[in-house]
Amino acid sequence: DIQMTQSPSSLSASIGDRVTITCRASQGISKYLAWFQQKPGRAPKCLIYDVSSLLSGVPSKFSGSGVGTDFTLTISSLQPEDFATYYCQQYYRYPLTFGGGTKVEIK
Amino acid sequence: EVQLVESGGGLVQPGGSLMLSCAASGFSFSAFFMTWVRQTPGKGLQWVADIKGDGRENYYVDSVKGRFTISRDNTKNSLYLQMNSLSVEDTAVYYCARRSYNWYFDLWGRGTLVTVSS
Repeated sequence: DIQMTQSPSSLSASIGDRVTITCRASQGISKYLAWFQQKPGRAPKCLIYDVSSLLSGVPSKFSGSGVGTDFTLTISSLQPEDFATYYCQQYYRYPLTFGGGTKVEIK
Repeated sequence: EVQLVESGGGLVQPGGSLMLSCAASGFSFSAFFMTWVRQTPGKGLQWVADIKGDGRENYYVDSVKGRFTISRDNTKNSLYLQMNSLSVEDTAVYYCARRSYNWYFDLWGRGTLVTVSS
């Protein structure tokens, strides 16, 4: 199975901060990586697919990058609505696997 | 409206069975792989099972193989998850999701809670 390791598991940041979350796969997953945002009591929402492609309607403050096994989600200027938990997920090979999540909290 | 709506969750005793349903609307259901994903209380996400659009291929995480069965009825635009031999470790919110043409999960339901407890 491909293990997805996210770091940090949580972070505290202020409004306007630039935030970076990393995700490492235990083996190469080509371009097949997505990022999800989840707020309490809600279903996850896909923000980015294929490493860096933004879904329609997702603000451009979100960006994704990386290659091979190391990937990054960046929020350029944190806003109140961005406080949530973020997950990476590989869809390169079964079983599909998620990272453990990064909870972004208000400092 | 494009949406997925799960139902069928509830409280079940260990060793019991439960069938979850997911009603799809607003899109061509049979054209898409469909998925079940679960989330244990306060914890992360786990992919459970996938089924191809025509229902002829399915895939499972090891921990549910032999106990859970994913199926679909394209005439009813519905996805199902039959869960047998349930254990407390299966307690979770179960989401159905659609796999896009690019294979990522692009549409999710609101989830249904399954609690396995005596």
